[in-house]
Amino acid sequence: NAGVTQTPKFRVLKTGQSMTLLCAQDMNHEYMYWYRQDPGMGLRLIHYSVGEGTTAKGEVPDGYNVSRLKKQNFLLGLESAAPSQTSVYFCASSYPGGSNQPQHFGDGTRLSIL
Amino acid sequence: QKEVEQDPGPLSVPEGAIVSLNCTYSNSAFQYFMWYRQYSRKGPELLMYTYSSGNKEDGRFTAQVDKSSKYISLFIRDSQPSDSATYLCASRRSNQAGTALIFGKGTTLSVSS
Repeated sequence: NAGVTQTPKFRVLKTGQSMTLLCAQDMNHEYMYWYRQDPGMGLRLIHYSVGEGTTAKGEVPDGYNVSRLKKQNFLLGLESAAPSQTSVYFCASSYPGGSNQPQHFGDGTRLSIL
Repeated sequence: QKEVEQDPGPLSVPEGAIVSLNCTYSNSAFQYFMWYRQYSRKGPELLMYTYSSGNKEDGRFTAQVDKSSKYISLFIRDSQPSDSATYLCASRRSNQAGTALIFGKGTTLSVSS
């Protein structure tokens, strides 16, 4: 029972490089989210999706793009990585509804931009 | 001022102690309040969810919301070493899709045996 799986788990990039973070969920959840977690800042929402083919901006979307081509996958892209994007990235998914529908999180991708 | 404030700790207690974790929030529109637990190098998991003011109990855990003082609390009774984790409070204005969960910074708890 995998739940939410994020790949890769760790990555080091140089400034200006691009990469894609992959999130896959096997719970048939409609909603998916990308967060970043930084020391002293807590978790902040980057982008989210309420269904296949739809995406929307969250609290801190600049410098990131996302795609939801398949219901079970949510991709987060960094086109030109910057040191300020060094962070731990978490993907989450949930059923529609709201706060009483828990968001299930993956174990994170630790990304360092040099 | 961050919308949800939480003392990062760390908080260290002996096994069996009662633990009190607290958050304050500034946005009067917040109606939904959650506590997540995050173990080291893992993603957060939902512990408790409450709507508006009041108490909610689940086993050794009690969540309390006081909207008049904008105060959120989580009490852990008979704390265990397995409770050692970071506890995140979170709030949101509504249940509409895309309404961001606003997280506190998290309080790190260590329970020693």
